[in-house]
Amino acid sequence: EVQLVESGGGSVQPGGSLRLSCAASRFTFTNYNMNWVRQAPGKGLEWVAFITSSGNMIDYADSVKGRFTVSRDNAKNSLYLQMSSLRDEDTAVYYCTRDSLHSNYFEYWGQGTLVTVSS
Amino acid sequence: QVVLTQSPSASASLGASVKVTCTLSSGHSRYAIAWHQQQPEKGPRFLMKVNGDGSHTKGDGIPDRFSGSSSGAERYLTISSLQSDDEAVYYCQTWDTGIRVFGGGTKLTVL
Repeated sequence: EVQLVESGGGSVQPGGSLRLSCAASRFTFTNYNMNWVRQAPGKGLEWVAFITSSGNMIDYADSVKGRFTVSRDNAKNSLYLQMSSLRDEDTAVYYCTRDSLHSNYFEYWGQGTLVTVSS
Repeated sequence: QVVLTQSPSASASLGASVKVTCTLSSGHSRYAIAWHQQQPEKGPRFLMKVNGDGSHTKGDGIPDRFSGSSSGAERYLTISSLQSDDEAVYYCQTWDTGIRVFGGGTKLTVL
């Protein structure tokens, strides 16, 4: 079965930076578009970033544009999210998701990693 | 920009059926959506994609008790023979150029 394992979460002060990783396995990573989705405590789901299979097209939610950078290393079957200028409102569980092969819905989810931004 | 609207809560009795609704904003009635389930203290899980014509494609291992349908701008998730572990928040999700969008979620209580 498809596996997506996030890591890199933790506590950081406002204005700080953090890099999340997602290790993908049990599918051909190079064939699939990937995303980051987050969920603030007690809130709903919010899409954060999208990257195509080759990495040549990237989109961001307005709430993170200019502060977050999504990237991937297909040789390492890994997805990344570099987060900078972090704010209190970025506190959330961050999920790595894999798109369906022929459509833009989230077909598989990781278990999530918690990011806490607090002074 | 496409917006998805869900009722915040729904309830039904153990063994009964329930229909959860997701409504697409004006001008977007033909969009497909996906349903995701989030059980308490767990990450979300993909249930199915529902197309504008009502056809649906389920995720791996999703029981036959779960089905999808459409009518106009509304997309439905129907769960039959409700079980206690169906108690969860159900999110609909869609996509457009450059964005992915979630509904606010419907919290289902199994009585």
